[in-house]
Amino acid sequence: GNSVTQMEGPVTLSEEAFLTINCTYTATGYPSLFWYVQYPGEGLQLLLKATKADDKGSNKGFEATYRKETTSFHLEKGSVQVSDSAVYFCALSDRTGSARQLTFGSGTQLTVLP
Amino acid sequence: EAGVVQSPRYKIIEKKQPVAFWCNPISGHNTLYWYRQNLGQGPELLIRYENEEAVDDSQLPKDRFSAERLKGVDSTLKIQPAELGDSAVYLCASSFRESGRLYEQYFGPGTRLTVT
Repeated sequence: GNSVTQMEGPVTLSEEAFLTINCTYTATGYPSLFWYVQYPGEGLQLLLKATKADDKGSNKGFEATYRKETTSFHLEKGSVQVSDSAVYFCALSDRTGSARQLTFGSGTQLTVLP
Repeated sequence: EAGVVQSPRYKIIEKKQPVAFWCNPISGHNTLYWYRQNLGQGPELLIRYENEEAVDDSQLPKDRFSAERLKGVDSTLKIQPAELGDSAVYLCASSFRESGRLYEQYFGPGTRLTVT
């Protein structure tokens, strides 16, 4: 079956540091890949997505590239802010271009210190 | 535009008691999902509705869990009787399906259930 493995947290960084959160996946076929963010007390929000190999998703300074050869979708940001403190979830869908069935990783807690 | 609304936000009950959660999806969204999120884990799908039909309930523990989506709008998830292991956050999400394609899922804030 499908699965997503995320870098274990928590991750603590200083403001303006570089962020990488690793995500690898196992899936049959050609899934779409997503990063969701969950701020304290709120629901999950879609941060970015990529629907096919070599696609780069980007939003709010975050980026992730769909690497089929390494089955990875690592999240990066060049300069984090205190407001980026949240839990980040990597996820995949079970069919290209569809969000029919999402499989999530276990989440990575990020804390950014001023 | 209002997002996905869930209530209550928090619920504490004793084991063996019943509990119900309510979800109102984004207006116009015909697909609704219930997820369970255990502490330190990602959400896991319990059930997916398309309009009023449950099209995927394979992960729903049917001995104690039930759900309904009358009229294809809001939905209720019930647990009866609750067990200690049911303590989790229950998330509702909705999306729009058109011509066989499902668009982005929007999540509500969740209901945090504590069973004592």
